[in-house]
Amino acid sequence: AQKVTQAQTEISVVEKEDVTLDCVYETRDTTYYLFWYKQPPSGELVFLIRRNSFDEQNEISGRYSWNFQKSTSSFNFTITASQVVDSAVYFCALAQGGSEKLVFGKGTKLTVNP
Amino acid sequence: GAVVSQHPSWVICKSGTSVKIECRSLDFQATTMFWYRQFPKQSLMLMATSNEGSKATYEQGVEKDKFLINHASLTLSTLTVTSAHPEDSSFYICSARWVSAYEQYFGPGTRLTVT
Repeated sequence: AQKVTQAQTEISVVEKEDVTLDCVYETRDTTYYLFWYKQPPSGELVFLIRRNSFDEQNEISGRYSWNFQKSTSSFNFTITASQVVDSAVYFCALAQGGSEKLVFGKGTKLTVNP
Repeated sequence: GAVVSQHPSWVICKSGTSVKIECRSLDFQATTMFWYRQFPKQSLMLMATSNEGSKATYEQGVEKDKFLINHASLTLSTLTVTSAHPEDSSFYICSARWVSAYEQYFGPGTRLTVT
């Protein structure tokens, strides 16, 4: 069975602080894909990143970075120098190889205060 | 690129009536579209998966006669909530992907209120 756990329900930080959102996944497949999505207050989910199970390289995109560690089944997301516009609910998701379905975590609500 | 639209963005209807929600991929051909439901402060719940030209595959517990899904073309899928009741009030979100992609691109959602 697949499962995604985002243990942090809500996080509140002050602007310019760094913040890490945790994601732990469970799957028996050797081929799988991990995702992060952002859902701002407007409601539309925005795709941020996809990682496949064979690529453990960390990725950086501007202020965003992702740390994928198969040894701990984690795919954590760090926002550096957070901004108010980063306030949103962030979802981590998993898809098994060969499956079209995404399994979502419960989401982490991030509030960045000015 | 990868833009998905939904219409309407919000709708209020009376109990017992039917409501149709459209989902369109604007700049790509969506071989697969998905319909989700999201309750306040909760995660997304997958309702069904539809492939163009085929019948939708519904998740366990989702009434297919109540939530009619049609995926008539590579750019359009519709969800019809039939005989709506207040408990059907929710945020409905569609997503789409093309054949070689695993990521899904989401529409802006439709907020349905049944009075």
